[in-house]
Amino acid sequence: EDKVVQSPLSLVVHEGDTVTLNCSYEVTNFRSLLWYKQEKKAPTFLFMLTSSGIEKKSGRLSSILDKKELFSILNITATQTGDSAVYLCAVVGPQGAQKLVFGQGTRLTINP
Amino acid sequence: EAGVAQSPRYKIIEKRQSVAFWCNPISGHATLYWYQQILGQGPKLLIQFQNNGVVDDSQLPKDRFSAERLKGVDSTLKIQPAKLEDSAVYLCASSPGTSGSPRETQYFGPGTRLLVL
Repeated sequence: EDKVVQSPLSLVVHEGDTVTLNCSYEVTNFRSLLWYKQEKKAPTFLFMLTSSGIEKKSGRLSSILDKKELFSILNITATQTGDSAVYLCAVVGPQGAQKLVFGQGTRLTINP
Repeated sequence: EAGVAQSPRYKIIEKRQSVAFWCNPISGHATLYWYQQILGQGPKLLIQFQNNGVVDDSQLPKDRFSAERLKGVDSTLKIQPAKLEDSAVYLCASSPGTSGSPRETQYFGPGTRLLVL
């Protein structure tokens, strides 16, 4: 059965700190890994990763995938209170299915 | 571009009652998904439609849950009868194409928060 595990489940830091969120996976016929940010409602898309070693960046957020070790990290530098959210990792398996298997999420709290 | 619309936003019912949720995907999106997100967990796929056909409903509890997308646009998800453990947020998402390319992204609606008492 496909599985995605995120760690830590919860993280509390101070504004300005740098955080690293982890996502490991076991999935049949891996195609891609996605990161979403979920505040009070709908998950919003952050990154899609398909190739190992290529870092995706968007402002203070960056992410990288290691297909050999089956994990990804999401890095946030110079954190702000607006970064407080649940960060979800999901993987896409066999072609044609487009089925996302989500991890349980990491709840990040940024204190001023 | 308008996002994925869902209604209602909140629903409180008693166990054994019925409930229905509605989703209107982004215009032109062929694929529609219903997810169940229990508090403290990630979303779990219930059913995936491609146009008006079901692609995957392997995790849908078919004894009580049903979903349809008759004209390939809007979709409804029904629970009959509801149980306490159905309390969750029900998320609808859509994605543009049918090719199965890994570069397709799913766009989520705001969700319907269901509380079963």
